[in-house]
Amino acid sequence: SQQGEEDPQALSIQEGENATMNCSYKTSINNLQWYRQNSGRGLVHLILIRSNEREKHSGRLRVTLDTSKKSSSLLITASRAADTASYFCATDPNQAGTALIFGKGTTLSVSS
Amino acid sequence: DSGVTQTPKHLITATGQRVTLRCSPRSGDLSVYWYQQSLDQGLQFLIQYYNGEERAKGNILERFSAQQFPDLHSELNLSSLELGDSALYFCASSKAGVNTGELFFGEGSRLTVL
Repeated sequence: SQQGEEDPQALSIQEGENATMNCSYKTSINNLQWYRQNSGRGLVHLILIRSNEREKHSGRLRVTLDTSKKSSSLLITASRAADTASYFCATDPNQAGTALIFGKGTTLSVSS
Repeated sequence: DSGVTQTPKHLITATGQRVTLRCSPRSGDLSVYWYQQSLDQGLQFLIQYYNGEERAKGNILERFSAQQFPDLHSELNLSSLELGDSALYFCASSKAGVNTGELFFGEGSRLTVL
């Protein structure tokens, strides 16, 4: 079943602009992770935020988590053409016998 | 390079056939996960093994099976293939048996069923 739902499904911006992607989920979680996938390639981990954290930064990435609203956002500042990719949120449900559940992703296109 | 190796990279076969996908995890990682990625379903979790034992099960069809061997490599067997099984199959690995950290993904095996 799909746990995380990213919004928007697709986003087109110019180089230098900021890109914001949102993720909503349904059940309680231990942590939430963001991954990036270049076309047809494997997913690459970007950042992990634990359920007791509200905000985390890594380079040009900023992630927020609101457990009361069951939502997270990923902000990429000063986007570059090389940021063009699909971005997925993945939730670690707080229940035994499950693995990371991925949303369907946001496709980001950054034009120069 | 994530350190996770998947073979084959591409595979074309016919309906009704059986294929085996192979995955070697990163050195030192005990957990192996299999995911299926298709355009309409997104990334679906199939199954996880930890140190040879099945740890978690997702949306894996009965026609599919997997195992993890003593050397920690894993194989995903897909049988009685249907057109709808065409997808990218990813293997990922992690050190732990629980989702406390990041997964390292291979480059995937693209299966086309004709």
